[in-house]
Amino acid sequence: ETGVTQTPRHLVMGMTNKKSLKCEQHLGHNAMYWYKQSAKKPLELMFVYNFKEQTENNSVPSRFSPECPNSSHLFLHLHTLQPEDSALYLCASSQVAAGYNEQFFGPGTRLTVL
Amino acid sequence: AQSVTQLDSHVSVSEGTPVLLRCNYSSSYSPSLFWYVQHPNKGLQLLLKYTSAATLVKGINGFEAEFKKSETSFHLTKPSAHMSDAAEYFCVVSGEYNTDKLIFGTGTRLQVFP
Repeated sequence: ETGVTQTPRHLVMGMTNKKSLKCEQHLGHNAMYWYKQSAKKPLELMFVYNFKEQTENNSVPSRFSPECPNSSHLFLHLHTLQPEDSALYLCASSQVAAGYNEQFFGPGTRLTVL
Repeated sequence: AQSVTQLDSHVSVSEGTPVLLRCNYSSSYSPSLFWYVQHPNKGLQLLLKYTSAATLVKGINGFEAEFKKSETSFHLTKPSAHMSDAAEYFCVVSGEYNTDKLIFGTGTRLQVFP
């Protein structure tokens, strides 16, 4: 595997279910990100982990719970979601350094909440 | 605060004709700027980046962009469109205080007709 991988690619869940999204990066990066991509809206940054420490929580509801056990893996735990949470969830990674920040994205998980 | 505006939500061109995707940014300091492309059911891929070096930036697949500070623009161009260029394109600016943070435009969908 190369780059950034995400599983599952598609997920359908009810509002009372609990599920998790997984992201793995094979690039040796030290930062990982969760984004939400909804139709007709800009990409929304949800969480940032830098050296496994959460450095950003962009006012995300508590029904989304991130976990970063090491610098290569990132999870997004989901529980009691709402239909408006249906979206494409993208994971990204980068090597944080002085100056610019080039992020590498996974293919995303298409989530549908019924 | 940083922001980015993509002036066209849709652009349609014929194969073999030039492509112009427009982007204007707002920044209180010298930003880093990026163009990402997203093909259907895929993650975002970096096309090119500007990081205060040469103002004309060449990217992958024949795309290039020119940073014009006086016009606060970073338009994406390609001399000759190919069918495989049909995708969603995102103009992105780095955050002001935290280069971990990227601010995305709303995207421009490029259609290429034979």
